[in-house]
Amino acid sequence: DSGVTQTPKHLITATGQRVTLRCSPRSGDLSVYWYQQSLDQGLQFLIQYYNGEERAKGNILERFSAQQFPDLHSELNLSSLELGDSALYFCASSASQGYGYTFGSGTRLTVV
Amino acid sequence: AQKVTQAQTEISVVEKEDVTLDCVYETRDTTYYLFWYKQPPSGELVFLIRRNSFDEQNEISGRYSWNFQKSTSSFNFTITASQVVDSAVYFCALRLSGGSYIPTFGRGTSLIVHP
Repeated sequence: DSGVTQTPKHLITATGQRVTLRCSPRSGDLSVYWYQQSLDQGLQFLIQYYNGEERAKGNILERFSAQQFPDLHSELNLSSLELGDSALYFCASSASQGYGYTFGSGTRLTVV
Repeated sequence: AQKVTQAQTEISVVEKEDVTLDCVYETRDTTYYLFWYKQPPSGELVFLIRRNSFDEQNEISGRYSWNFQKSTSSFNFTITASQVVDSAVYFCALRLSGGSYIPTFGRGTSLIVHP
């Protein structure tokens, strides 16, 4: 157990739907990072939050959004889902500004 | 901008062979961190090592060793006497010391160890 908890582990949904992925960081970690891993794109950085504030944005689609709550857990919202959004979504956390990253086990999203 | 290249898409070896996974990075910064992660078939990403740019000492951890060479911008990973359990995708990543602190990952190398 890495200490980073992601739920759900698997998600199957239809095109056009909206889903929410949840991440609880390792105890004491203030930063949360979201990554998308697809077969053709590798590990793509989506967005980072630090202590509740958005800190950096990567190649995140406008249909996607995220937030980090006061208890430091984070949610990634994916809407108007398309087949191409099928991927493994990882959350990682770090204590300070990226000295080390601990990844969760990921959420496998399948859009049908 | 930084970039990480793992030119080997897939490597197939027989158990007990030694194998080296290559990682070449690009950055103009003089201070940065390099990482290796392992992704077994179960899917999770497991941290293996972190190395900062000022520390060029090679590191050995059991059957794993890492060779960091700034002169060639490489941070290669060697598994000695490979085992079937080493079968996984291995990712190399680079993070600059400043800026957004976001690690950039290579595309990964899939290692298949046959019994």
